[in-house]
Amino acid sequence: DGGITQSPKYLFRKEGQNVTLSCEQNLNHDAMYWYRQDPGQGLRLIYYSQIVNDFQKGDIAEGYSVSREKKESFPLTVTSAQKNPTAFYLCASSTDRGQGYTFGSGTRLTVV
Amino acid sequence: GESVGLHLPTLSVQEGDNSIINCAYSNSASDYFIWYKQESGKGPQFIIDIRSNMDKRQGQRVTVLLNKTVKHLSLQIAATQPGDSAVYFCAENRGYSTLTFGKGTMLLVSP
Repeated sequence: DGGITQSPKYLFRKEGQNVTLSCEQNLNHDAMYWYRQDPGQGLRLIYYSQIVNDFQKGDIAEGYSVSREKKESFPLTVTSAQKNPTAFYLCASSTDRGQGYTFGSGTRLTVV
Repeated sequence: GESVGLHLPTLSVQEGDNSIINCAYSNSASDYFIWYKQESGKGPQFIIDIRSNMDKRQGQRVTVLLNKTVKHLSLQIAATQPGDSAVYFCAENRGYSTLTFGKGTMLLVSP
């Protein structure tokens, strides 16, 4: 079955550590996205990528980094510079920016 | 999983009622709109979409209405079931921009 897989489902990080969230899709989608979701605030765009080896900052990119070395993969690193990283992170993909997105099941990151 | 619905507008209905969830979008140039359903602890799921050249589109038990004059989008769910309980988001897109999401409405369905 085609889909988009995020791992891990739950992640705990100590303050000052970098962590990487995985996102893999086998839908042959060109575009991939990372969103952050906090209670009552909807989805906020962190980074997106339209093609391999290219990506753009979204609305809240500070403290995050991404790479797009393969079409299928778009990992997100939450760095120690992110002041409030505890949130639910959602990865999505689409055939292009103008179409609807398919979402993964999310990663819950908690700073301890 | 942890709820994403804290502090969201909430619509409470009885099982079997029809539900109407509203959304005001921001960009008059937006030409594509989508409704997503998100259950607690899960990623959003596509429900239905509509392009700006249409006023209404129907799916299975769901209807989306678009009023471009007042920049308003609504999702109607017929014969609402307990499994419909979730947070519902609208999203808008203009040309090749990324989707912009609304903050969501929580739908609670009582048996």
